[in-house]
Amino acid sequence: EPEVTQTPSHQVTQMGQEVILRCVPISNHLYFYWYRQILGQKVEFLVSFYNNEISEKSEIFDDQFSVERPDGSNFTLKIRSTKLEDSAMYFCASRTGANQPQHFGDGTRLSIL
Amino acid sequence: GQQLNQSPQSMFIQEGEDVSMNCTSSSIFNTWLWYKQDPGEGPVLLIALYKAGELTSNGRLTAQFGITRKDSFLNISASIPSDVGIYFCAGHNFGNEKLTFGTGTRLTIIP
Repeated sequence: EPEVTQTPSHQVTQMGQEVILRCVPISNHLYFYWYRQILGQKVEFLVSFYNNEISEKSEIFDDQFSVERPDGSNFTLKIRSTKLEDSAMYFCASRTGANQPQHFGDGTRLSIL
Repeated sequence: GQQLNQSPQSMFIQEGEDVSMNCTSSSIFNTWLWYKQDPGEGPVLLIALYKAGELTSNGRLTAQFGITRKDSFLNISASIPSDVGIYFCAGHNFGNEKLTFGTGTRLTIIP
């Protein structure tokens, strides 16, 4: 069964450094998402992306965050200058079309030191 | 923003028992979804519900979309060890992209 794949599985970064998290959505999917989950808490929406532009973003997704689909298969989340509170699991998700459910990858654990 | 509260927060049951958990919202959703999360992994879709009153099964799992559109429940029959994990409900509204996740129910099976 097709899967959303994310790399790396664990990223350790010094505070203030830039980090890029990578995702390969399911191949025929058109809508892409990033969510985060702080340890022990619920999953929170960050941003959605469709037709090469952001379609919706949350208050968490401030100027330090950006997303990009650099080619036909990858979808990336960049955090420009990481803070301690950015430590979390980051999940990528994708779906085909309207009213179809989102499918999630296994996440990248981001640890900021 | 919209809040989804799940109950119970955690459950300790014996293998073979049936499980029931629910999710309530402060406002209406058009779609309800149930996901399961194992440690170190992402949420895996279990059941999607699209119409108020809809009752849908997936193997031993059954979920219902509440008539008021503000709640949903998930039942698991005859639990087995691999049912252990955290179960999240999520709501979605037409015209929005985001899923709003619930607070989760952690299921533990006592040997």
